[in-house]
Amino acid sequence: GAVVSQHPSRVICKSGTSVKIECRSLDFQATTMFWYRQFPKQSLMLMATSNEGSKATYEQGVEKDKFLINHASLTLSTLTVTSAHPEDSSFYICSAPPGGTLMGDTQYFGPGTRLTVL
Amino acid sequence: AQSVTQLDSQVPVFEEAPVELRCNYSSSVSVYLFWYVQYPNQGLQLLLKYLSGSTLVKGINGFEAEFNKSQTSFHLRKPSVHISDTAEYFCAVSDSGGYQKVTFGTGTKLQVIP
Repeated sequence: GAVVSQHPSRVICKSGTSVKIECRSLDFQATTMFWYRQFPKQSLMLMATSNEGSKATYEQGVEKDKFLINHASLTLSTLTVTSAHPEDSSFYICSAPPGGTLMGDTQYFGPGTRLTVL
Repeated sequence: AQSVTQLDSQVPVFEEAPVELRCNYSSSVSVYLFWYVQYPNQGLQLLLKYLSGSTLVKGINGFEAEFNKSQTSFHLRKPSVHISDTAEYFCAVSDSGGYQKVTFGTGTKLQVIP
């Protein structure tokens, strides 16, 4: 089946630094990718929709200047957490529908990136 | 907008016993429904989905779910669980009419007791 990878799987950084997380679709092209955040013992919350070749769409309450998204190719989207603070510590997960499908079908999820900000 | 409610945060069950994980949703439009499983430190894996047609949906690993429109429910069932089923299970909903944004429930941790 389709595979989505994320790198790194874990990252620890100091407060005030920036962290980049990569999301790659390994065997299919993804014109759209989704970024989620999952706090401990909570569900996944959609942060933003990443669109290849255009600006990302952010959910209400998500700061676009803090969470920079770049979808530079059909297989890669990056999420950069700028000036990270301890409250940004979370599990970040990306997903992608294969073949650019937008209508209610399977999404493939990456394994997630655990960010810890000290 | 849609919402998903998973009332049980944890469900302990003995091995080989049946299990039901409950999911209720709210939406003003037609929806697609999903169950995902998340093993520790891993991403989500699709168990099954309801898009249309038969309300009884069979998925992987022996799981099945039934879509009940009148009760706005999509409960997940398995007749006999195994230790390997211990994981977090998420019910999810998306709008069937257009752009897919998935709304997740808060998850149910299934703990299979040997």
